[in-house]
Amino acid sequence: DAGVTQSPTHLIKTRGQQVTLRCSPISGHKSVSWYQQVLGQGPQFIFQYYEKEERGRGNFPDRFSARQFPNYSSELNVNALLLGDSALYLCASSQIAGVGETQYFGPGTRLLVL
Amino acid sequence: AQKITQTQPGMFVQEKEAVTLDCTYDTSDQSYGLFWYKQPSSGEMIFLIYQGSYDEQNATEGRYSLNFQKARKSANLVISASQLGDSAMYFCAMREDQTGANNLFFGTGTRLTVIP
Repeated sequence: DAGVTQSPTHLIKTRGQQVTLRCSPISGHKSVSWYQQVLGQGPQFIFQYYEKEERGRGNFPDRFSARQFPNYSSELNVNALLLGDSALYLCASSQIAGVGETQYFGPGTRLLVL
Repeated sequence: AQKITQTQPGMFVQEKEAVTLDCTYDTSDQSYGLFWYKQPSSGEMIFLIYQGSYDEQNATEGRYSLNFQKARKSANLVISASQLGDSAMYFCAMREDQTGANNLFFGTGTRLTVIP
């Protein structure tokens, strides 16, 4: 079975622009979470979606938004990009949203904001 | 306070030897899960092992084992018989049941280098 896939793999944007990142979960997984990993740090939680509904939101500004589609794929949107948004954006999927559920991560999208 | 603390920025281990990567956590929740992930330079986070707060036995997965000491709030990862391919960043993470969401709190990671 295919793992979590993300697109694009790399992206270069300039300040003030908008970006959309895409994620396809493992087949059969209904929950998708997004994380931001700044260089030298551990990933930080941005959003979780389960069955197309937002289940959790991390401490990120409203410039960050996401949605989940009927096929459980997801998009993360970031508006008005800042230099500090440069990071590796990771998507993770799990079957459900329980405490014991393992999240499986995709390869990430590397975003560079100039 | 940090929910996950990894105090070892870098560790070295000789090939075929065992190594322990430290992780302490902070939570007031009774139900939580602890995870270890490996991140090679490619960036993908690879799941290694899971320990639930109510699990009485330490988790094991092949060469990986988790030394879970609940009273000390520690969840150290032990890698036995290290291989060159084990060189990577290792992250400890926790999820708390009370949040209702699936979010993981990660530590800052430990960079493991396996020496031939």
